[in-house]
Amino acid sequence: LAKTTQPISMDSYEGQEVNITCSHNNIATNDYITWYQQFPSQGPRFIIQGYKTKVTNEVASLFIPADRKSSTLSLPRVSLSDTAVYYCLVGGAGYGGSQGNLIFGKGTKLSVKP
Amino acid sequence: SAVISQKPSRDICQRGTSLTIQCQVDSQVTMMFWYRQQPGQSLTLIATANQGSEATYESGFVIDKFPISRPNLTFSTLTVSNMSPEDSSIYLCSVKRLGGANTEAFFGQGTRLTVV
Repeated sequence: LAKTTQPISMDSYEGQEVNITCSHNNIATNDYITWYQQFPSQGPRFIIQGYKTKVTNEVASLFIPADRKSSTLSLPRVSLSDTAVYYCLVGGAGYGGSQGNLIFGKGTKLSVKP
Repeated sequence: SAVISQKPSRDICQRGTSLTIQCQVDSQVTMMFWYRQQPGQSLTLIATANQGSEATYESGFVIDKFPISRPNLTFSTLTVSNMSPEDSSIYLCSVKRLGGANTEAFFGQGTRLTVV
């Protein structure tokens, strides 16, 4: 399983762009990179997924360099409601587990201040 | 998407007793998982619930302590047996549909368990 490393925490202010980088040096050829968001007292929620280059949806962008050993989740113009824990996961069709399970790392706790 | 209903949402239990947590999905899903999340920490996978067969447990988790059932494609239960205060945690059900290269996972709101 490809191990991921993220900053434990980050602080930001409303309206700023936030970039959270995840390192995954041992990523395999068939691995995808997926980010989840978790608010207190809720289950994680899918944000975005990518394999290479750049992916953008209505919530975030995901930048993946050519060597795929890292990825950056970009949240444009954050608000207070973006305060949450963000998890980077790496894996193949099964997200790294032999039976399709998700293996979570420690995540990054993002605090957005007014 | 998939809407997951977990019951109970929270409970306070006496040590030595057992609690069964239910996970109901609004549509048929291929894969169902159970996770544990202790306060302030990340999620730890307990097991994969397999329809019609025994669950597949991760290292450190055993069937006698966490028996799991999955009678059909939309329902699963996790039992926390012979509870101790160390079992106090949030237990989360997760589902995935297999299709294409990757599919997103959906999570229930969790069951907050306190053992006293």
